[in-house]
Amino acid sequence: EPEVTQTPSHQVTQMGQEVILRCVPISNHLYFYWYRQILGQKVEFLVSFYNNEISEKSEIFDDQFSVERPDGSNFTLKIRSTKLEDSAMYFCASSESGGSETQYFGPGTRLLVL
Amino acid sequence: KQEVTQIPAALSVPEGENLVLNCSFTDSAIYNLQWFRQDPGKGLTSLLLIQSSQREQTSGRLNASLDKSSGRSTLYIAASQPGDSATYLCAVGKAGSYQLTFGKGTKLSVIP
Repeated sequence: EPEVTQTPSHQVTQMGQEVILRCVPISNHLYFYWYRQILGQKVEFLVSFYNNEISEKSEIFDDQFSVERPDGSNFTLKIRSTKLEDSAMYFCASSESGGSETQYFGPGTRLLVL
Repeated sequence: KQEVTQIPAALSVPEGENLVLNCSFTDSAIYNLQWFRQDPGKGLTSLLLIQSSQREQTSGRLNASLDKSSGRSTLYIAASQPGDSATYLCAVGKAGSYQLTFGKGTKLSVIP
């Protein structure tokens, strides 16, 4: 069964460093998403992406965040200058179409900022 | 702003028991509602999706219902098994939006 994959599974970085989290969505899906879950808290929406542009973003997704689909298979989340409070599990998700369709989630990347 | 609440936060049941998990949301203008399962330190596994026009969905031992007007959904698990132990998350899709708004989850423990 097709699945969303994410790399790396764990990343440790120093405050102020840039990190890139990578995702490979399900191949025939057109909508891509990033969510995050701070330890012990709810899963929170960051951004959705369709047709090579951001379709929606939350107030969390400020100028330090960016997303890109650099080729036909990868979808990345870049955090330019990490802060301690960026420590969280980051989930990538994809769906065949937007809005009404099931979103399928990857296993997540656990980011720890020291 | 949509708020999603799940009660109880934790539930422990003996194996074989039928159980119900609850989810409530404040804004009834939803597109759909999705139930997920999350194992410790792992990703989210989609269990069921209910469209706003539907009343319920079934998959195996799972049945999810939706009452949009009252802002409630339930996930019914029949004949629970130890392998069902996980955190169950409810997430609501808002009309005209792509994002899901999540509840905090119910942590289920099924005791053999």
